[in-house]
Amino acid sequence: DIVMTQTPLSSPVTLGQPASISCRSSQGLVHSDGNAYLSWLQQRPGQPPRLLIYKMSKRFSGVADRFSGSGAGTDFTLKISRVEAEDVGVYYCMQSTQFPYTFGQGTKLEIK
Amino acid sequence: EVQLVQSGAEVKKPGESLIISCKGSGYSFTTYWIAWVRQMPGKGLEWLGIFNPGDSDTRYSPSFQGQVTFSADKSISTAFLQWSSLKASDTGKYYCVRLDRGSGSFDPWGQGTLVTVSS
Repeated sequence: DIVMTQTPLSSPVTLGQPASISCRSSQGLVHSDGNAYLSWLQQRPGQPPRLLIYKMSKRFSGVADRFSGSGAGTDFTLKISRVEAEDVGVYYCMQSTQFPYTFGQGTKLEIK
Repeated sequence: EVQLVQSGAEVKKPGESLIISCKGSGYSFTTYWIAWVRQMPGKGLEWLGIFNPGDSDTRYSPSFQGQVTFSADKSISTAFLQWSSLKASDTGKYYCVRLDRGSGSFDPWGQGTLVTVSS
């Protein structure tokens, strides 16, 4: 199985400041079709997860443009350009390149 | 509006059987896969597997192979997750989510079904 490792596990951030979450995969995530099936999900307290980013860098419909995804090889990053109060929650990376799909452990974003 | 609506919370005893449901609306139910995800209390997300309602193609994560069964009734656009003999360790919230394998996008997510197994 591909292991997804997120850092940090907890991230206190000041409102209006940027935030960054890293995710490393134990193997490359480029599929035979040339795409890296790396997604980022946000789970607000008491809510189901919500898709933010798919195929490593594609922002999903309706997602604020302060969220962006990037990466190469086995290293991937979710960036929030200016954190807002509604961004509090747990963020997960996940790979769907190879079955079984796997999630990172989650990173808790909280406001300082 | 595309949505997945899951059945309500369940409280069961160890050894009992259970089926929970996930009803899709606002899209062609047989065109997209359904994935199932578990979240144990206070923990992260785990994949159970994926199911194609169109042809019943199924992929179980190794950790859940033989522990759960996926199925669907196309006539009512509903997917099911089934246990034949529950254990206390099955306690958790179970989410269904629509998977577009072409784009690799997982959306929307159901609201989740809380399953509590306790003697």
